[in-house]
Amino acid sequence: KAGVTQTPRYLIKTRGQQVTLSCSPISGHRSVSWYQQTPGQGLQFLFEYFSETQRNKGNFPGRFSGRQFSNSRSEMNVSTLELGDSALYLCASSLVRGAADGYTFGSGTRLTVV
Amino acid sequence: AQKVTQAQTEISVVEKEDVTLDCVYETRDTTYYLFWYKQPPSGELVFLIRRNSFDEQNEISGRYSWNFQKSTSSFNFTITASQVVDSAVYFCALSERTGGYQKVTFGTGTKLQVIP
Repeated sequence: KAGVTQTPRYLIKTRGQQVTLSCSPISGHRSVSWYQQTPGQGLQFLFEYFSETQRNKGNFPGRFSGRQFSNSRSEMNVSTLELGDSALYLCASSLVRGAADGYTFGSGTRLTVV
Repeated sequence: AQKVTQAQTEISVVEKEDVTLDCVYETRDTTYYLFWYKQPPSGELVFLIRRNSFDEQNEISGRYSWNFQKSTSSFNFTITASQVVDSAVYFCALSERTGGYQKVTFGTGTKLQVIP
């Protein structure tokens, strides 16, 4: 079956702009989580969506938001981009909330803010 | 205190050597889950194994083996006869119920370099 699909793979944006990243989970997976990965901070949890509702949120400013659609696809939005937002953004899907069954990750979107 | 500690930041071994990656976790839950993920240079994290807190049996899958010890809160990962393709960053993770939510915490990762 198809894996987790993230688009786009690479993005270059200017400081102050906004960006939307997309994630299509594995068919049948209703939970989608987003992570930010940077060399200095490792894997930082952004939020989890399950059945179109945000179920859990990490310690990120309100500029980071997301949503989930009825087909479980999810989008993540970052407004007013800052240089520090440059990172690899990973989407992960799982069958159950909180990924007690384990995550399947996408290939990530590498965002560069200049 | 970190919930998941991977004290080894980077390890280098020569091909065919055995290597053990350490993971120590902290939780108050009696029911929790432990995982290992591999992140090769391509960037995509790959699920390797899941263990629940009630199953302390060691597991072997080919050249990979995992040693889960609740008494020491450790879930160590051993690669036998390492190969260049094993070069990657390996993450240990804990899924537990905290604050009413099932939450996943990742360790900071161990970068393994296998030298041919």
